[in-house]
Amino acid sequence: DQQVKQNSPSLSVQEGRISILNCDYTNSMFDYFLWYKKYPAEGPTFLISISSIKDKNEDGRFTVFLNKSAKHLSLHIVPSQPGDSAVYFCAASDSNYQLIWGAGTKLIIKP
Amino acid sequence: NAGVTQTPKFQVLKTGQSMTLQCAQDMNHEYMSWYRQDPGMGLRLIHYSVGAGITDQGEVPNGYNVSRSTTEDFPLRLLSAAPSQTSVYFCASQNSGGKQETQYFGPGTRLLVL
Repeated sequence: DQQVKQNSPSLSVQEGRISILNCDYTNSMFDYFLWYKKYPAEGPTFLISISSIKDKNEDGRFTVFLNKSAKHLSLHIVPSQPGDSAVYFCAASDSNYQLIWGAGTKLIIKP
Repeated sequence: NAGVTQTPKFQVLKTGQSMTLQCAQDMNHEYMSWYRQDPGMGLRLIHYSVGAGITDQGEVPNGYNVSRSTTEDFPLRLLSAAPSQTSVYFCASQNSGGKQETQYFGPGTRLLVL
């Protein structure tokens, strides 16, 4: 039973356009959400996070939106750049230390 | 700072063999974790440690042992390898237990059990 789901295994976007990566969760106790980015042969690196008391958090080209009623969050990358090609993981946390991770979405930015 | 380092990068084992995956961090982080990543699945927590001498089980601890004798090192031991343990293993560390603390990951160890 996957509590955090990323339903798109891959996404292809033209350079300069907006990339939108989606994540759904089932546990209403999750109160903190994170996005990590992973290049091949490297470990994941932290990208951006959002607390459940907010519905939006922005950091440069990256914005995360949280819709608690729909149990849905999304990561927007504008404009998309070739270096953004990577696997993006969504993760969620409740009051415990442990993170629950989605399966990841492979983003391909086409030149 | 080297950050989080893992050795080896790649390992092939036969069923029943044992081995230790090494993890070290030089950031003086209290919290360290081991994850495995399997195709089509997210990272799953195997074991974690909140400080030297303290370890606890994560979501998928069976078949693995850990110890934390120093702040820097957090080795993961496979007692008797099984094909189901074929995976990519990531070690991570963070400064403290707060959920807003960023986790820093090592580059991973790819393990194949035949």
